[in-house]
Amino acid sequence: NAGVMQNPRHLVRRRGQEARLRCSPMKGHSHVYWYRQLPEEGLKFMVYLQKENIIDESGMPKERFSAEFPKEGPSILRIQQVVRGDSAAYFCASSPLGTSGGGDTQYFGPGTRLTVL
Amino acid sequence: GQQLNQSPQSMFIQEGEDVSMNCTSSSIFNTWLWYKQEPGEGPVLLIALYKAGELTSNGRLTAQFGITRKDSFLNISASIPSDVGIYFCAGSGGATNKLIFGTGTLLAVQP
Repeated sequence: NAGVMQNPRHLVRRRGQEARLRCSPMKGHSHVYWYRQLPEEGLKFMVYLQKENIIDESGMPKERFSAEFPKEGPSILRIQQVVRGDSAAYFCASSPLGTSGGGDTQYFGPGTRLTVL
Repeated sequence: GQQLNQSPQSMFIQEGEDVSMNCTSSSIFNTWLWYKQEPGEGPVLLIALYKAGELTSNGRLTAQFGITRKDSFLNISASIPSDVGIYFCAGSGGATNKLIFGTGTLLAVQP
């Protein structure tokens, strides 16, 4: 059973460009979470999605950031007009239960390290 | 907002020593998770705790969910060099299961 897959592992963008980060959850998981980690810090929640729905986006910056999890295909975190402050590691996690059951557990992917020049 | 205080910030120990780290929260959590992260990788789940008072082991690791639901600890017994990494606690308690992460404990083990 493959784990959470993320690509690319490393992404370099110039200021003003767009960054697209992809996440494929574990098989059988329909709940996806995105987190951001700045150097020397813990992970910070950004957004929680279930297939075709955004459940909680309380951690997403109001501008330039968007996320989707279509019926088919991976979840996408999109950052438009990147700035240097967007440089960070972005992690995706998936879980089997989401809010539908107690005792849910999130499993993380290897992350995408975004560098903005 | 919810905050997690994790301590100690770092530990430098000799191989074979036991290690203890803990997290405290300003609010109640329903789930506590402990992860280990190595450089350039994502967090790897070590132990999951779902009930107040629960004590769970995974090999040399033992973790407990505090009775007040506001704290948790992780113990590592007889540490080995491959235990090196950053250990994070994470809790969830809201309606959407989003995780709140601690600030991490850097563990260094000298052979």
